[in-house]
Amino acid sequence: QVQLVESGGGLVKPGGSLRLSCAASGFTFSDYYMSWIRQAPGKGLEWVSDIGSSGSPIYYADSVKGRFTISRDNAKNSLYLQMNSLRAEDTAVYYCARDARLRYWGQGTLVTVSS
Amino acid sequence: EIVLTQSPGTLSLSPGERVTLSCRASQSVSDSYLAWHQQRPGQAPRLLIYGASLRATGISDRFSGSGSGTDFTLTISRLEPEDFAVYYCQQYGTSPLTFGGGTKVEIK
Repeated sequence: QVQLVESGGGLVKPGGSLRLSCAASGFTFSDYYMSWIRQAPGKGLEWVSDIGSSGSPIYYADSVKGRFTISRDNAKNSLYLQMNSLRAEDTAVYYCARDARLRYWGQGTLVTVSS
Repeated sequence: EIVLTQSPGTLSLSPGERVTLSCRASQSVSDSYLAWHQQRPGQAPRLLIYGASLRATGISDRFSGSGSGTDFTLTISRLEPEDFAVYYCQQYGTSPLTFGGGTKVEIK
């Protein structure tokens, strides 16, 4: 069955960095467009970034452009989100999801930005 | 970007009732690329409907979607206890992907 498992979240100080990973299984990862979506505590869903099946195209939300970098390694069935210059407003659960209609979601990983 | 507006924000209903949720887009959603996701407390969202009216695999036929252009609805024919959750519409026809603010369906 399809599984998406995020990891790499945690507590980080403002201005710090984190790298999130999403391990995919149960489908041919290299065939699918992938997305990162986040949800701040008690808030709705916000699209963060997405990446085409071969690594392009790549898109970012304005709120993270220039600070976050999405990438993927199809040989390792993995999706990544490098997050730099983190701010308090980046505090959220980060989900990876498969394809543009978000057919499958991971369970999420919590990122807390606080001093 | 396409702004999605969901209404109402919260609905208080009883099990067995029928419910209709609304999602309105600021511009036409390309090819009816509109999805609905359900999020239960403490859980990740899950896809219910895509292409405005197509049920995802394993989703009960109590859930149905309709609409085109800028106006879309999600209908739950008879509320079961597990249906009390937050529902989000999402468009994927035009980049960037965007979500509505959600409708919470709570037990009355």
